[in-house]
Amino acid sequence: GQQLNQSPQSMFIQEGEDVSMNCTSSSIFNTWLWYKQDPGEGPVLLIALYKAGELTSNGRLTAQFGITRKDSFLNISASIPSDVGIYFCAGQLRADKLIFGTGTRLQVFP
Amino acid sequence: DTEVTQTPKHLVMGMTNKKSLKCEQHMGHRAMYWYKQKAKKPPELMFVYSYEKLSINESVPSRFSPECPNSSLLNLHLHALQPEDSALYLCASSLTQAYNSPLHFGNGTRLTVT
Repeated sequence: GQQLNQSPQSMFIQEGEDVSMNCTSSSIFNTWLWYKQDPGEGPVLLIALYKAGELTSNGRLTAQFGITRKDSFLNISASIPSDVGIYFCAGQLRADKLIFGTGTRLQVFP
Repeated sequence: DTEVTQTPKHLVMGMTNKKSLKCEQHMGHRAMYWYKQKAKKPPELMFVYSYEKLSINESVPSRFSPECPNSSLLNLHLHALQPEDSALYLCASSLTQAYNSPLHFGNGTRLTVT
C-alpha cells in the first residue's frame, strides 16, 4: 500500500540531545498524526494536527503541520532513554484513509 | 495504558486451526479497525467497521473474517491460515470516520502460524 516518505530511517543519539524527524507526501492531507511504537506494543498517539501551519506541543515533543499540507515534522527536545522506539507519521484524509510513514527508529544512548 | 483492549496478547496456531482475536473499547467510538503489521513495517489496513457495519475490506483473503457484535466489540475470526499470515494484528478505534478523528490503537495480538 501507499506509504509516506519519512526521514531519517534511524537515529542513534546521546541522551540530552534534540531530535528532529519529518514526513513528506506528494498528496495533501487534512490531518497529520504522530505515533510512537514500543517493541511488542501498539502505536500510541503522540500529537494530532488539524490545520495547515499549526504548531502543537506535548511536553518535550513539538510537531508542525506544513503550510502546503504535504509535510509535517516532529521534534523531541532533551531526549531521555524512554524515548527509544519507532516513530510513525500518518497523513489522514478521513479516519479510514490513514497513510503511514515508513517509520523512524530512535535509539538513545546514556 | 491503552483504552483499546486486545486478547489474547500472543497466539500460536496451526494451519488447520480456527481461532478468534478479540478487541474491546469503551470510549464510545463508532468506527473500529483491524490492521496487520509485519516486523519493521508500518501497519496495513485490513477492515473498517462504522456504526457496526463493514465499510471497508482491503481485499483481505476470506480466511480472515471480521465481526462486530456491538459498538464496543470487534472480532477477527481466523481459519486455515498460512505461515506468512504471522504478524502483529492491531485493533484501533476512532470517534467517527471523519478526518479529525484520530485512531487509537490497542497493543495487538502477536500471531504465529505454524
